[in-house]
This record gives sequence, C-alpha cells and structure tokens, in this order.
Amino acid sequence: GENVEQHPSTLSVQEGDSAVIKCTYSDSASNYFPWYKQELGKRPQLIIDIRSNVGEKKDQRIAVTLNKTAKHFSLHITETQPEDSAVYFCAAVPAGTYKYIFGTGTRLKVLA
Amino acid sequence: EAQVTQNPRYLITVTGKKLTVTCSQNMNHEYMSWYRQDPGLGLRQIYYSMNVEVTDKGDVPEGYKVSRKEKRNFPLILESPSPNQTSLYFCASSFGPSGPYEADTQYFGPGTRLTVL
Repeated sequence: GENVEQHPSTLSVQEGDSAVIKCTYSDSASNYFPWYKQELGKRPQLIIDIRSNVGEKKDQRIAVTLNKTAKHFSLHITETQPEDSAVYFCAAVPAGTYKYIFGTGTRLKVLA
Repeated sequence: EAQVTQNPRYLITVTGKKLTVTCSQNMNHEYMSWYRQDPGLGLRQIYYSMNVEVTDKGDVPEGYKVSRKEKRNFPLILESPSPNQTSLYFCASSFGPSGPYEADTQYFGPGTRLTVL
C-alpha cells in the first residue's frame, strides 16, 4: 500500500541553525503535500503545504521543496528558534482521494 | 470562533463496552476525517467523509464505524472496544477540494485520549 517515509526521527540543532526534514512517498499519483507541527499535548497544525504543480514554496522562515521525479519533499526551517521545538509530520495525498498518508514524525529540538 | 470540537477529551472504558466519540465543526466544511495517533506510528487515517452520507475507509478502519448524517457532525463509533484501540484520536475537517480532486487544508480538533482496559 501507499506509505510515506520520514527522516530523521529526531533532530537537534543549535538556535539560529537550519533544520531539514525529508519525506519520501510511494504513490506517484500523490499531488498534495502538507506539513504539520504538533507541540507537546496539542493538536497538529498546518504550517505549510505544496501541490504537485509547484517545486518550491516559502513562508518566512519555512520552505518546502518537492521533487516529483524522485518522489520526495523536504521541509526547511531557517534561523531556528526554541519555539520551533515540536514534532513535525509530513503527509501525501493521492489525487482523486482524501486519503492522507502521514509520515511517522520528526521530533525537532532547538537548543538555546 | 471557527473550530473543530471533540467530546469527550478523555475516556477510560472496558473491553466490549460500546462508545461514541463526537466530532463537530462550525466552518461548513465538506470533508471530515478521523485519525489515531500512536507513538512511533504517526497519524493514521481511520475513516473520512467527503460529504453527508458519503464515507470511505482510511488505512486502519477495522473495529470502527462512522456516520455522516449532518454536515457538521462526524461521530466515531467503537462497537466493541479492545485494548489495541487505546490511542489518541483526532478529528479533522476541511472545505474540500480547492480544485478537481485536490485536497485542502485540514483543521484538527483537540484530540480524545481513549484507554480501553
């Protein structure tokens, strides 16, 4: 079946450094790729998303890139801050469905 | 305030005792979905609904039922809960396709932590 692999599972960076989280999806029909941030004890919240007709999208310190040929997409956070510490989830949604396939999450720790 | 609500937020029950977790949204969203979250497994979709009376299975539908009789409500029913259904459950909703067959931004409820003894 469809799956999304997410790496790394944990990531520690110094405040001010960049963080990159990568996801690989299996279903080539996927055309929507959201990223969610989940703080401890809270609900997941969308931070950025990208559709298959776009290669890159930015929103202030965060950006997402998509490589359809390789079937992978990445989240980039620049100038990390302690409040960026959370678990981040990627997801892929095949076209014509609402079947969200999530990655297993990355716990990001930003060290002050 | 636009929101997705779930009730109850916490529930401890015993094996075999039927339960319902309610989900309601006030944003007139067409699409609603249920997920379970388990350590190391991320979020897994249980069921989703694209509109009233239209539901479909996600990745892990076994042991669960849903219904969508009204646009705003999407209850999750566990007819005979078992300990392996102990989990954190999230409901989510979105407007639906932003284009033909295109998923849109999901908004999550606060979660329901279920323990089945």
